[in-house]
Amino acid sequence: EVQLVESGGGLGQPGGSLRLSCVDSGFTFSTYEMNWVRQAPGKGLEWVSYISESSSNIKYVDSVRGRFTVSRDNAKNSLFLQMSSLRAEDTAVYYCATKKGGTTYFRHWGQGTLVIVSS
Amino acid sequence: QSVLTQPPSVSGAPGQRVTISCTGSSSNIGAGWDVHWFQQLPGTAPELLIYDNNNRPSGVPDRFSGSKSGASASLAITGLQPEDEADYYCQSYDNSLSAWVFGGGTKLTVL
Repeated sequence: EVQLVESGGGLGQPGGSLRLSCVDSGFTFSTYEMNWVRQAPGKGLEWVSYISESSSNIKYVDSVRGRFTVSRDNAKNSLFLQMSSLRAEDTAVYYCATKKGGTTYFRHWGQGTLVIVSS
Repeated sequence: QSVLTQPPSVSGAPGQRVTISCTGSSSNIGAGWDVHWFQQLPGTAPELLIYDNNNRPSGVPDRFSGSKSGASASLAITGLQPEDEADYYCQSYDNSLSAWVFGGGTKLTVL
C-alpha cells in the first residue's frame, strides 16, 4: 500500500531555498509518476510539478519554472522538490501525490508539509 | 482565478441530494480530458472521490456519483450525511497550459 510522508517544510526567507522530500513506505514507488501539488492558506489546490517514473519527463507550472527542481531516487523510494528564489506566494502546504501512467488523476496523497516564506 | 469553475459553496439538509458543477473550456474538459473529483475534510489531505468522470475508488460509497457533458462536469451526492461536510475539488488536464488543473473548490455545508 502506498504511504507517502512529506518533510522539509518550514520557514524560508524571500529569495532563499528549501528542499522538500516525500518518502513512500510502500514498495511500488518506482511504478508511479509523481507530482507536487500545493495549497495556499485558505485557498484551493494547484498542481506544481510532475516527474515520470524514470525521471525522463519533467513538467512545472509556469509560476515555478526556473525556480523549482523536481527529482526522485527510486532506490530510496523518495521524491524531492528543490525550491529556490522563494517568494511570499510560494507559501502553502505542499503535497506529494502519485499518478499512474496513462491516467490523469492523482491517486494517493501525503499528509503535506507547510512552507512559509517570510522575512 | 481557477481554470475550472466551481460554485464557492453549496448546502443541503441530511438525507437530501446536492450537486456541484465544474465548468471548463475547449482546452480541458471540452477537449475530451477526463474529470476527477477530490474530497478534502477539514485539516486533512485531499482524497480521490471520483475518477475518469464517473468511477469510484474502492471504499467510496455509491452515494457519490459523477457525470460529464461537453465542457462541464458534475458531482452528485445523495442521502447527504453530516460527515460529507468538506471541500470538493474537480480536476482535469489542460492542453493549452500543458498542466493538470483544478477547480477553485466548493465548500459543502450540511445543515
